Amino acid sequence: EVELLESGGGLVQPGGSLRVSCAASGFTFGSYAMSWVRQAPGKGLEWVSAVSGGGASAYYADSVKGRFIISRDNSKNTLYLQMDSLRAEDTAVYYCAKMSGPFTSSSKRYFDCWGQGTLVTVSS
Amino acid sequence: DIQMTQSPSSLSASVGDRVTITCRASQSISSYLYWYQRISGKAPKLLISAASSLQSGVPSRFSGSGSGTDFTLTISSLQPEDFATYYCQQSYSNPPTFGQGTKVEIK
Repeated sequence: EVELLESGGGLVQPGGSLRVSCAASGFTFGSYAMSWVRQAPGKGLEWVSAVSGGGASAYYADSVKGRFIISRDNSKNTLYLQMDSLRAEDTAVYYCAKMSGPFTSSSKRYFDCWGQGTLVTVSS
Repeated sequence: DIQMTQSPSSLSASVGDRVTITCRASQSISSYLYWYQRISGKAPKLLISAASSLQSGVPSRFSGSGSGTDFTLTISSLQPEDFATYYCQQSYSNPPTFGQGTKVEIK
């Protein structure tokens, strides 16, 4: 059974940094692209970032480009999101999601398994 | 970015009711449309892929249809465990975008 378990959320001041992690099990982690999707309070779902299976290619939403870095350690079956220069509008539950296939493929650019999320609050 | 618009944003229904949720894309997305269910406190779950393909393990009371710009998710007979928020998502172009969600509540 596929399992994704996020960790590392918490309270951080505006301008601060935080790294969230996602431990994966139940599938061949390195064979699949992975994404982060977030949901701000009272808002809908927003795709944040994706990384290819091998980790060589990364993709970002315009809202986080230049501030967030996605990475993965396939030896540890773990996905990361390093978040810098955090803003109040980054406050959200951050979900780790397994992608069906390569992010570059229109027919595979969707999320077939999700974690339960970790809450990131940016506030002074 | 392709904008996805769901309607209604919320609805109240009774167990056994037929429920239909619509999703409209701001441009044609062929059949690159996916439906998710999110129950409060639980991980979102993929229900339907490619507009109409039911995921393994998803009850047959769920169905999806549509292509181009207009899509629907139908629950043929609402069950207590179906009270949740439903989201559509397009994969046609980068970035993938979601509808704002439809909350299905108990009448």
